[in-house]
Amino acid sequence: DAKTTQPNSMESNEEEPVHLPCNHSTISGTDYIHWYRQLPSQGPEYVIHGLTSNVNNRMASLAIAEDRKSSTLILHRATLRDAAVYYCILLMNTGFQKLVFGTGTRLLVSP
Amino acid sequence: SAVISQKPSRDICQRGTSLTIQCQVDSQVTMMFWYRQQPGQSLTLIATANQGSEATYESGFVIDKFPISRPNLTFSTLTVSNMSPEDSSIYLCSVATGTGNIQYFGAGTRLSVL
Repeated sequence: DAKTTQPNSMESNEEEPVHLPCNHSTISGTDYIHWYRQLPSQGPEYVIHGLTSNVNNRMASLAIAEDRKSSTLILHRATLRDAAVYYCILLMNTGFQKLVFGTGTRLLVSP
Repeated sequence: SAVISQKPSRDICQRGTSLTIQCQVDSQVTMMFWYRQQPGQSLTLIATANQGSEATYESGFVIDKFPISRPNLTFSTLTVSNMSPEDSSIYLCSVATGTGNIQYFGAGTRLSVL
């Protein structure tokens, strides 16, 4: 499995944008970039995924570098509820697959 | 999407005993996964469970220790056998459904072994 590298932790203030980086220099052409987050005392939840183009949904935006070796999850206005561990995971789009979780980034949000 | 219910939500068990964790999904799904999250750690996959076939275990996990049943497309159980304090973890099930290889997780079972 291609590996991802994320900072261990980041801090933000409430209502400010947050940019969570992920490096995946060994990504293959068929790997999708997925983001999950795990709120305290809960199971992980899907956030967003993409292949080459930037993606937006109600939760976040995903910006993918042109060479696809890095990506950034963008929370446009952080709330206290966004405090969680965010995981960047690569998956091939060939059927359902297991998720390989790294250590993720712990996001702290201050009021 | 899928809604997943896990039972029990938490338990405290004595060493040497076994605990069976249930995972119920609100829709039919082909693939279900069982993960373990040790204290302060990330998630590690235990096994993949497809209906009608034997579960596929990851390296470091064996069927005798973590037997899995998958009797139908909406239900699975994971048993943690002959428990020791090292088995104290959160156990989570997930399902893969829909498009885009998206997985949905239960809230987990928090297990403490004394």
